[in-house]
Amino acid sequence: SQTIHQWPATLVQPVGSPLSLECTVEGTSNPNLYWYRQAAGRGLQLLFYSVGIGQISSEVPQNLSASRPQDRQFILSSKKLLLSDSGFYLCAWSVRSGIGNEQYFGPGTRLTVT
Amino acid sequence: KQEVTQIPAALSVPEGENLVLNCSFTDSAIYNLQWFRQDPGKGLTSLLLIQSSQREQTSGRLNASLDKSSGRSTLYIAASQPGDSATYLCAFLSGSARQLTFGSGTQLTVLP
Repeated sequence: SQTIHQWPATLVQPVGSPLSLECTVEGTSNPNLYWYRQAAGRGLQLLFYSVGIGQISSEVPQNLSASRPQDRQFILSSKKLLLSDSGFYLCAWSVRSGIGNEQYFGPGTRLTVT
Repeated sequence: KQEVTQIPAALSVPEGENLVLNCSFTDSAIYNLQWFRQDPGKGLTSLLLIQSSQREQTSGRLNASLDKSSGRSTLYIAASQPGDSATYLCAFLSGSARQLTFGSGTQLTVLP
């Protein structure tokens, strides 16, 4: 069966510090991968998606970046965090072939920027 | 651009009641919709997926419907239990984008 992991589970970082969140998927190959953010009082917003290694699409302008160094690994990064980067970050995956496939979410990372 | 609205924002019911959560969307060119459950501080659990060619899906006490012509979806929960307490989110995969567009959710509390 497929599983999706995210770490760390929680993170407290000062403004201006770097960030690296990791997501890995097991039990599937060539997945589409997604990073979402859920800010307090707001809905889920797609940040990045990837259809393959090294292929990243950004949905919103921000000081965050994403990378996919391996087929089942998706990393969210920042060089300098802002207070507004606080939120709950969720990674998701879906089967790549076809359209309209179900998305499966990881347990999330709670980021607090102080 | 797809917009998704969920009503009500919060709902409190006594245990055993049947209830309906509503979700409306503006772009009828959708591929599918998903209903998710989110417990506090946790990730999303997919409950039901309805493809655009389908009208409803059922899983246990849950039934989700889709009416593209009216731009609506409903999640019906039968015989609610305290363990059903959570935030329920609907999301649509529209034809013009790869991502899911989420509603803001309905926070459900089932009182014992």
